[in-house]
Amino acid sequence: GAGVSQTPSNKVTEKGKYVELRCDPISGHTALYWYRQSLGQGPEFLIYFQGTGAADDSGLPNDRFFAVRPEGSVSTLKIQRTERGDSAVYLCASSADRRGEAFFGQGTRLTVV
Amino acid sequence: GQQVMQIPQYQHVQEGEDFTTYCNSSTTLSNIQWYKQRPGGHPVFLIQLVKSGEVKKQKRLTFQFGEAKKNSSLHITATQTTDVGTYFCAGDDYKLSFGAGTTVTVRA
Repeated sequence: GAGVSQTPSNKVTEKGKYVELRCDPISGHTALYWYRQSLGQGPEFLIYFQGTGAADDSGLPNDRFFAVRPEGSVSTLKIQRTERGDSAVYLCASSADRRGEAFFGQGTRLTVV
Repeated sequence: GQQVMQIPQYQHVQEGEDFTTYCNSSTTLSNIQWYKQRPGGHPVFLIQLVKSGEVKKQKRLTFQFGEAKKNSSLHITATQTTDVGTYFCAGDDYKLSFGAGTTVTVRA
């Protein structure tokens, strides 16, 4: 595709449920980032992939959060036992290399009720 | 870890006026990127600065990277309503650590 695609665009889930958020980066981009953005805040770093491996997952808040990128392209952010505090917009970005311009997707707005 | 601070948090500008927003890092940066996020949208890349003291211009926007590579500024001249949005700087320690942003509103 022409840009970074994230699905779903909106997700409402009940507290305690499991959710998966998908990111399709720009073809050929080796670097992929996940961020979380709350209202009025800047994007908060969660995890960075270089290829298939998680080069840095230090931003994941706790062990309920996990992300994979098995083939070095599509990535999935997985959240177990969701809590109301997980509600935010989850942004994915990709870059041709780790020091270049990052292209963001439109985000997935997660609401935990 | 690296922290990127931006000031001011809010900037209310009269249309036609100039303003500057500042970005400061706790550590030396290899480069710095600026992004703009319109209300309801996602961050969009504006520019990347790499060299100490570098200055780049994009029409009415002037970006500067400090000599010590720990601070940066964005100066907008003759503000227009299309400049509304939040401007973020992002320090590149590969994580792209974002500041909290400067949210700009414009009075017509």
